[in-house]
Amino acid sequence: EPEVTQTPSHQVTQMGQEVILRCVPISNHLYFYWYRQILGQKVEFLVSFYNNEISEKSEIFDDQFSVERPDGSNFTLKIRSTKLEDSAMYFCASPSGLGGAYEQYFGPGTRLTVT
Amino acid sequence: LAKTTQPISMDSYEGQEVNITCSHNNIATNDYITWYQQFPSQGPRFIIQGYKTKVTNEVASLFIPADRKSSTLSLPRVSLSDTAVYYCLVFGSQGNLIFGKGTKLSVKP
Repeated sequence: EPEVTQTPSHQVTQMGQEVILRCVPISNHLYFYWYRQILGQKVEFLVSFYNNEISEKSEIFDDQFSVERPDGSNFTLKIRSTKLEDSAMYFCASPSGLGGAYEQYFGPGTRLTVT
Repeated sequence: LAKTTQPISMDSYEGQEVNITCSHNNIATNDYITWYQQFPSQGPRFIIQGYKTKVTNEVASLFIPADRKSSTLSLPRVSLSDTAVYYCLVFGSQGNLIFGKGTKLSVKP
């Protein structure tokens, strides 16, 4: 099964600090997604990224968030000034390329803890 | 976007067949039905997808009646490692996945 990797696995930061979460999606895929899951709650869509541009974003994805593809393989999610409520698991995902966007491969996630 | 309804939790025992039903009364003609599995502290994992009738893969079967207003995920002979949250998703556009709260399946020895 294709693998999506994410770093770091766990990030602890203080409120107001900037964090950058990294993802290496499945190679040669143009679509990428970021989701988050607050502990005990459902998985929530944040943003989709297609061909180096934001394709769609949710209302959660406000001005504090940004996504970039700094090079050909990495994909980052930046939170400029973290808040306590940003504590969550953050997942990136790549579509399989076979099943359309319905079949997405999720990374292992980054657990962000804001103190 | 079709809304889905599924039981919050289910209990089962090892070796049993588990059927999780999802209702999606306002499913559109172009919508596919997709199921994901999530273990604690892991990302969701795609299980199966279908449009109508029956789909089977090495992990599960998906039964969809003719009216497509519901679907049933069938897990044959579950084991303890099948304890997870199972999500039913319905959508038609090439875009993000919309997860509900899912069904928390607990498999007991």
